Amino acid sequence: KAGVTQTPRYLIKTRGQQVTLSCSPISGHRSVSWYQQTPGQGLQFLFEYFSETQRNKGNFPGRFSGRQFSNSRSEMNVSTLELGDSALYLCASAKFLADQETQYFGPGTRLLVL
Amino acid sequence: KQEVTQIPAALSVPEGENLVLNCSFTDSAIYNLQWFRQDPGKGLTSLLLIQSSQREQTSGRLNASLDKSSGRSTLYIAASQPGDSATYLCAVSWGSARQLTFGSGTQLTVLP
Repeated sequence: KAGVTQTPRYLIKTRGQQVTLSCSPISGHRSVSWYQQTPGQGLQFLFEYFSETQRNKGNFPGRFSGRQFSNSRSEMNVSTLELGDSALYLCASAKFLADQETQYFGPGTRLLVL
Repeated sequence: KQEVTQIPAALSVPEGENLVLNCSFTDSAIYNLQWFRQDPGKGLTSLLLIQSSQREQTSGRLNASLDKSSGRSTLYIAASQPGDSATYLCAVSWGSARQLTFGSGTQLTVLP
């Protein structure tokens, strides 16, 4: 069964631009979460979607937004990019909302902001 | 503030050695705790998930324990192999099962 896929895998943008990243969860999974990984801050939770609804949001500015479609695919958008947004963006999917359920992570999208 | 700490930041061991990675967390009211592995430039692979009601989980050469009262978890790796070289991350969920708070990881190198 195919794993979580993220596109694009690598991206270079300049300050002030905006970017959209895509995540396709494992077939049948309805929960998608997004994380940012940087050398300085480590892995930080961005937001989580389930059945097209945002359920949780981390402590990030409003420039970071996301959405989930009816097929469970998710996108995250970062507007007015800053140098500090350079990071590996990971998405994770899970089937339900069960506490004992693990999440499956994609390979990530590496964003470089110049 | 709910935080997760992993010590040491890096560990180097000879092949065949048994080793323990440590994780501590500040609030004992957890939903679950997970251990992940991350290879350079790649995503995360889930190794073990321990629910709040459990004390340990085992998978092959890996054993993870959870002590909520002391706010600690350990990941035991038996008979380490060079292929075990990776960064190991501990993650805890509190308010939501899918909102994970990660430690900074332990970079493990197993020398042949």
